[in-house]
Amino acid sequence: DMKVTQMPRYLIKRMGENVLLECGQDMSHETMYWYRQDPGLGLQLIYISYDVDSNSEGDIPKGYRVSRKKREHFSLILDSAKTNQTSVYFCASSFHAANQAPLFGEGTRLSVL
Amino acid sequence: KTQVEQSPQSLVVRQGENCVLQCNYSVTPDNHLRWFKQDTGKGLVSLTVLVHENDKTSNGRYSATLDKDAKHSTLHITATLLDDTATYICVVGDRGSALGRLHFGAGTQLIVIP
Repeated sequence: DMKVTQMPRYLIKRMGENVLLECGQDMSHETMYWYRQDPGLGLQLIYISYDVDSNSEGDIPKGYRVSRKKREHFSLILDSAKTNQTSVYFCASSFHAANQAPLFGEGTRLSVL
Repeated sequence: KTQVEQSPQSLVVRQGENCVLQCNYSVTPDNHLRWFKQDTGKGLVSLTVLVHENDKTSNGRYSATLDKDAKHSTLHITATLLDDTATYICVVGDRGSALGRLHFGAGTQLIVIP
């Protein structure tokens, strides 16, 4: 069953704490993405990974970093979380090929207090 | 500036009615346009993709059109069901591979009432 799995689904952290969001996929997709979704805005790309250790900044990378050591796993790290990083974070994956629909996880709802 | 604008922001229809959702964009180049459905608290699920000028697609009760000259797309939902309650998101891809960027609209929230 093709699936993108995000853990945890819900997370509450205090300002200044470190945050680790995990994402896994079992389709051997080369490309993986991290987005955030805020009310009234379209999804914004934080980072994209084209394969293991091949990561590129998206449109809003400040305050975030990523790690991809295995093709099936992509992590998003917030070092010293800020209140404005409260959001819903989505991971997605896809093949490189033309017009392939990315497959999305169900999201991680992060609250930074 | 937002490059993908969707209207209306929200819409309430009665079960069985038809509805039309609009998407206007300024993304250039516009390789393809995709409509996603997002149930509350869930991820995005692709409904259909349009690629060519004047493309039309159909997926059950969902049908979509694309006018690349006008940079405009519509999503039609016929005979709505309660399960159609969701946010519908228009996404424009500027290239035909993962090397391109996806530009997301903010979505239209559709509520179907009995």
